[in-house]
Amino acid sequence: DAGVIQSPRHEVTEMGQEVTLRCKPISGHDYLFWYRQTMMRGLELLIYFNNNVPIDDSGMPEDRFSAKMPNASFSTLKIQPSEPRDSAVYFCASSYQRDFFSETQYFGPGTRLLVL
Amino acid sequence: AQSVAQPEDQVNVAEGNPLTVKCTYSVSGNPYLFWYVQYPNRGLQFLLKYITGDNLVKGSYGFEAEFNKSQTSFHLKKPSALVSDSALYFCAVPSGGSYIPTFGRGTSLIVHP
Repeated sequence: DAGVIQSPRHEVTEMGQEVTLRCKPISGHDYLFWYRQTMMRGLELLIYFNNNVPIDDSGMPEDRFSAKMPNASFSTLKIQPSEPRDSAVYFCASSYQRDFFSETQYFGPGTRLLVL
Repeated sequence: AQSVAQPEDQVNVAEGNPLTVKCTYSVSGNPYLFWYVQYPNRGLQFLLKYITGDNLVKGSYGFEAEFNKSQTSFHLKKPSALVSDSALYFCAVPSGGSYIPTFGRGTSLIVHP
């Protein structure tokens, strides 16, 4: 398996633009997680899905952020409109079980977002 | 509230020397404690975890961690550092009453040749 795939790897955009981050989980994994990493706040869980259904989005910072998982092999995290404070590295992870601390949770390489 | 603290932003060590990355915790009840590593331009990778049992936990890549209840610490250790160990290390604990993970701020380990 190729692991968790994220695209794009790098994104530079201007304030106010819509940004869409994409994730393909490992085949067969039934949980998908979106994280954000910044120097100021460290690593934060934004939202997670089980069997394509959003379970907990309490970590999503505000209404400008939305996430979808239309099928088992694809998820998107959208920011509209984007702001400079959204600049961060966004990670997607997947696992077989709702276990944030299992060695079976696999992280993607991340998308580095810069909003100018 | 459950939390962990990593008091050092950066640790420098020479290759071949022992390394320690510090983590202290504040939890109610029996703690579950974890270490993750993040290599440059990569996502986090699980290293090891303490649930119960032996205070010395062995993990991936030759790392181990020592759980010390009296000092509320869970320091990450390795007897002989490699340059390839240079990475960002995170200590983590489940947040009280929920499954939301709380990560430490991370410690950058730099191993010099």
